[in-house]
Amino acid sequence: GAGVSQSPSNKVTEKGKDVELRCDPISGHTALYWYRQSLGQGLEFLIYFQGNSAPDKSGLPSDRFSAERTGGSVSTLTIQRTQQEDSAVYLCASSLGQGAIYEQYFGPGTRLTVT
Amino acid sequence: TQLLEQSPQFLSIQEGENLTVYCNSSSVFSSLQWYRQEPGEGPVLLVTVVTGGEVKKLKRLTFQFGDARKDSSLHITAAQPGDTGLYLCAGGLRGGGNKLTFGTGTQLKVEL
Repeated sequence: GAGVSQSPSNKVTEKGKDVELRCDPISGHTALYWYRQSLGQGLEFLIYFQGNSAPDKSGLPSDRFSAERTGGSVSTLTIQRTQQEDSAVYLCASSLGQGAIYEQYFGPGTRLTVT
Repeated sequence: TQLLEQSPQFLSIQEGENLTVYCNSSSVFSSLQWYRQEPGEGPVLLVTVVTGGEVKKLKRLTFQFGDARKDSSLHITAAQPGDTGLYLCAGGLRGGGNKLTFGTGTQLKVEL
């Protein structure tokens, strides 16, 4: 079956521009996560959606970052007025259940470069 | 503040050698997972451990969860070039809701 897909795979943008990153989770997965990964480093949690509950936004680094999940499926992460420190790989993951014990299935990521 | 520290950060070994990667924290985790990530891809789950002192084996990989549930280790026997990748531990904090806290990562390279 289809895994988690993300688009675009690469995005180069100028400082100050807005970007939108898209995530298509595995069908039927109720939980969706966004992470940020700097080169060769661990993952930094950004935001978590579970069903119709209010998202956990505790990891968003500033108010320039926002995300939504429409119809409980596709999610979009938006970064406004991008800065060079926003350059990283943005990973999306989905899981069947609610809780850290459930396996998270990751997409290939979007590599964002802010020039 | 990094809640999960991994060591070593980088490891380069020859095929056939054994190695151990450590994941340490001062916090207690309700569960702990190990992932492997290859370049250009997302992490892939290797194992989940939930009981203090638990040991799980997956072919040449042995995973252990510390008795106090604050640390874990991954041991690879007779490493092969296919084991090359970034190894990440990730834990669910007690009272931390539903999100995972990821470790700093260990970059492993196994050479012929």
